[in-house]
Amino acid sequence: DAGVTQSPTHLIKTRGQQVTLRCSPKSGHDTVSWYQQALGQGPQFIFQYYEEEERQRGNFPDRFSGHQFPNYSSELNVNALLLGDSALYLCATNGRGSRSTQYFGPGTRLTVL
Amino acid sequence: KQEVTQIPAALSVPEGENLVLNCSFTDSAIYNLQWFRQDPGKGLTSLLLIQSSQREQTSGRLNASLDKSSGRSTLYIAASQPGDSATYLCAVVNSGYSTLTFGKGTMLLVSP
Repeated sequence: DAGVTQSPTHLIKTRGQQVTLRCSPKSGHDTVSWYQQALGQGPQFIFQYYEEEERQRGNFPDRFSGHQFPNYSSELNVNALLLGDSALYLCATNGRGSRSTQYFGPGTRLTVL
Repeated sequence: KQEVTQIPAALSVPEGENLVLNCSFTDSAIYNLQWFRQDPGKGLTSLLLIQSSQREQTSGRLNASLDKSSGRSTLYIAASQPGDSATYLCAVVNSGYSTLTFGKGTMLLVSP
């Protein structure tokens, strides 16, 4: 049983560019959440997708957008990259309900130069 | 707005010691609390999940307790080993949508 997978592992972009990160959920999971983790900080919630719709959103600007596909996989898009967007981006998935354990992927390390 | 605080920020101990990591949260209306481990530059590994109705959970050398009314949780690690060296993160779920609010973590170093 494959766990949560993310691609790419690392990414280097320049300011103003756009980036797309991808996440495939653990088998049987239908809910995908994205988090941003700056160096030395805890992860911060970006948004959550369920049934192909954004269900909840954290305090992030509209430059951050996402999508969920019918197979439950998800993409995170960031436009007009800023230096401050450099971080580890984590995807977490879980089954239905608020009481289920969340499983995290290995993350994508984004560096903006 | 929920805020999660973890103390200490860093901890260095010799191998074999028992240790306690602390987590506090400001809003006691939580669904559950989860402890994670993170190795440098890696993703998060779930260690223990405590539902709001539970007082503690155990897995091997790890024991986590929850006092929801006082907004506190502790992670107890028995007989620490160098392989336990990592950052330990505490996170709570407040809403029905399972989104997590994290603390900044405790960086643990266990020396041989």
